[in-house]
Amino acid sequence: AQTVTQSQPEMSVQEAETVTLSCTYDTSESDYYLFWYKQPPSRQMILVIRQEAYKQQNATENRFSVNFQKAAKSFSLKISDSQLGDAAMYFCAYRGSGNTPLVFGKGTRLSVIA
Amino acid sequence: GAVVSQHPSWVICKSGTSVKIECRSLDFQATTMFWYRQFPKQSLMLMATSNEGSKATYEQGVEKDKFLINHASLTLSTLTVTSAHPEDSSFYICSARPPGLAATDTQYFGPGTRLTVL
Repeated sequence: AQTVTQSQPEMSVQEAETVTLSCTYDTSESDYYLFWYKQPPSRQMILVIRQEAYKQQNATENRFSVNFQKAAKSFSLKISDSQLGDAAMYFCAYRGSGNTPLVFGKGTRLSVIA
Repeated sequence: GAVVSQHPSWVICKSGTSVKIECRSLDFQATTMFWYRQFPKQSLMLMATSNEGSKATYEQGVEKDKFLINHASLTLSTLTVTSAHPEDSSFYICSARPPGLAATDTQYFGPGTRLTVL
């Protein structure tokens, strides 16, 4: 079974600084997809960024970017120019090919310090 | 983007009663919906996969007779917690994925339902 590991239960960053959240996963599949979701205090899950495993280029969405290392099965999220609104739980998620559900890591709570 | 709604957002019930939670995809048809459970400060745990017109597939350890899932239409799935007990108190989140061959179809989440069993 696929597993997703987030080794940082909590992280903090100064406003306007950059922070990187770690995620590793375990799979035997070659075709899969990786996601980062944000869960603010409202608890609404929000998609931050996604990466197709077959793409070598790292995904980027404005201030959010990933460092996808397929051989190492690593998928870290970098948040640049951190803002107060970035404070939330961040979940790394894996999805295999086909109509399969997302598998989530345990999450990293990010605090942004003004 | 696609919107998924849940109703109710918060429910309190007495032990032994049943509670129904609705999950609707508002602007797309969802052949598959997922139900997750989230305890405080924990991650989302998949409970079951709901397929329109067929029986749900439950994850190991999830009691299918206690958590009844019905996916009667392409826009509605319901989760009924039967004979609820305090340990069933949790945050329940549904998710839906638009159909299609593109495997990167995003999974959209409802806002969740907080269940408190007294």
